Amino acid sequence: SQTIHQWPATLVQPVGSPLSLECTVEGTSNPNLYWYRQAAGRGLQLLFYSVGIGQISSEVPQNLSASRPQDRQFILSSKKLLLSDSGFYLCAWGAMGSAFFGQGTRLTVV
Amino acid sequence: TQLLEQSPQFLSIQEGENLTVYCNSSSVFSSLQWYRQEPGEGPVLLVTVVTGGEVKKLKRLTFQFGDARKDSSLHITAAQPGDTGLYLCAGARNYGQNFVFGPGTRLSVLP
Repeated sequence: SQTIHQWPATLVQPVGSPLSLECTVEGTSNPNLYWYRQAAGRGLQLLFYSVGIGQISSEVPQNLSASRPQDRQFILSSKKLLLSDSGFYLCAWGAMGSAFFGQGTRLTVV
Repeated sequence: TQLLEQSPQFLSIQEGENLTVYCNSSSVFSSLQWYRQEPGEGPVLLVTVVTGGEVKKLKRLTFQFGDARKDSSLHITAAQPGDTGLYLCAGARNYGQNFVFGPGTRLSVLP
């Protein structure tokens, strides 16, 4: 069966520091991969998605970037965090018209 | 831009009551999904509907996809406290390459 791992679960970072969130998927090949951000208790905003290695589509201009160095690895990065980058970040993989999510990372920028 | 709206935003009911929440859009989606999310966790997929007019049942939950594939409803019969959570609908776009989410309905079922 397929599983998705996302870490860390929580992260507190100072303004101006770099960020790297990692997500890996097991049990499937060539999945579509996604990074979403969720405001407190509300819907999900699509940040990036990838249909293959090295192929990244960005949905909104922002202080973040994404990379897919391997088929089942998706990384969300920032060179310098802003206060507004705080939020709940979710990685997901997609197949058959459905998305399956990791446990999320709660990022607090202080 | 394809947008999804959900109503109501918040719903608080007593255990045993029935409820329906709605997901609406002006756009057509190839499929639509419903998720439930608990605080601090990722959304969990409940169902995917693909065909216009389709009805799917999952125990006490009944999901319907509108004939025009622009809207959907989720009906819960005899709600239980364990049904409490944020219910999100999402539409697949670009041939399922990515998904747009509604803002969610926060359901609270009181014992």
